[in-house]
Amino acid sequence: ETGVTQSPTHLIKTRGQQVTLRCSSQSGHNTVSWYQQALGQGPQFIFQYYREEENGRGNFPPRFSGLQFPNYSSELNVNALELDDSALYLCASSYYTREYYGYTFGSGTRLTVV
Amino acid sequence: GIQVEQSPPDLILQEGANSTLRCNFSDSVNNLQWFHQNPWGQLINLFYIPSGTKQNGRLSATTVATERYSLLYISSSQTTDSGVYFCVGNYGQNFVFGPGTRLSVLP
Repeated sequence: ETGVTQSPTHLIKTRGQQVTLRCSSQSGHNTVSWYQQALGQGPQFIFQYYREEENGRGNFPPRFSGLQFPNYSSELNVNALELDDSALYLCASSYYTREYYGYTFGSGTRLTVV
Repeated sequence: GIQVEQSPPDLILQEGANSTLRCNFSDSVNNLQWFHQNPWGQLINLFYIPSGTKQNGRLSATTVATERYSLLYISSSQTTDSGVYFCVGNYGQNFVFGPGTRLSVLP
């Protein structure tokens, strides 16, 4: 089975710009979640998508938005970048049934805003 | 707000030693997970354990949901166990990470 792949691995953007990060889910997983991890801290939940709709959101402003596609891959879009948006952005795909539980993280995209 | 606390914040062990990591959560959770983030940043799911006890090799976990805590046991620690261990509470459609326990296993 394939894992979760994120692209790009590293990115440098200027304050005020927009950025799109991409994530391909693990085969068979239908839910995708995005997290922001600042240096030295635990991941912070941004939002979750299930069946192409957002079905959970953390404490992040509307300039953080996302999409999930029919093949369960996903995008995270951040508008009007701020210096504090510099972080590791992690995507996780998951699938739950009574008999099976899977939750797999990608390796992340490191975003630097200058 | 919802809080997930972990202790100890840092732990240094000699290879072969055993350890117990604790997670306290402030409200009832739908489920609870333990993750390991290795020194290269990769997060690996260890346990999905809303209640009860599970074991996977040298690792085991116990969650007592009524008392709002979970424990992660690491036996016969190895240097590859080094990294940060996170407890994650799932509240509805929100996921809250604890601050983590940073484990260093010395050869």
